[in-house]
Amino acid sequence: ETGVTQTPRHLVMGMTNKKSLKCEQHLGHNAMYWYKQSAKKPLELMFVYSLEERVENNSVPSRFSPECPNSSHLFLHLHTLQPEDSALYLCASSQGTGGLMHTGELFFGEGSRLTVL
Amino acid sequence: SQKIEQNSEALNIQEGKTATLTCNYTNYSPAYLQWYRQDPGRGPVFLLLIRENEKEKRKERLKVTFDTTLKQSLFHITASQPADSATYLCALANYGQNFVFGPGTRLSVLP
Repeated sequence: ETGVTQTPRHLVMGMTNKKSLKCEQHLGHNAMYWYKQSAKKPLELMFVYSLEERVENNSVPSRFSPECPNSSHLFLHLHTLQPEDSALYLCASSQGTGGLMHTGELFFGEGSRLTVL
Repeated sequence: SQKIEQNSEALNIQEGKTATLTCNYTNYSPAYLQWYRQDPGRGPVFLLLIRENEKEKRKERLKVTFDTTLKQSLFHITASQPADSATYLCALANYGQNFVFGPGTRLSVLP
């Protein structure tokens, strides 16, 4: 496999459920990201991991919990979500973080479409 | 606060014409500007990067300009084709910072 792979592609969950989104990159990159994309809104950066260390957390509610066990894998654990959390969750990777390190080109996965009932 | 705007939410043009998309920003001095393409239900795909000291960048039928005085980037697709129909996103970053995305423009190229 190549690129960035996200599973599941679609997820429906109740507000009391616990679920996880998974992301895997096969590009040898050292930075991974979670973005949220809601209808009519720009991509929102949620979390950034560089060399498996979280380097950015953009005031994301604690009901979203990221985990980066190694440089190839990234998880987003979901717990007691709200209907307004329904969105497309995109994982991305890059070589380095920020414009200084590299072109900053982000390689995105296809996303996980989350619906919270 | 920083703000990124992309001309209209949607743009319709006739096949063969040049599509011009605009990215304007305020309260920001980015060192880098990127353009991405996103198809429905898919993740964005990187197209071009332009740096603050570059006026223009080209790649095949694509051309990007970056005017730091006007605080604007223009993205051109020449000889547009229906296959170019997608949402186009601009993203800006300063040194050592992560890219911040604009809301996108949905382009439809009509046959």
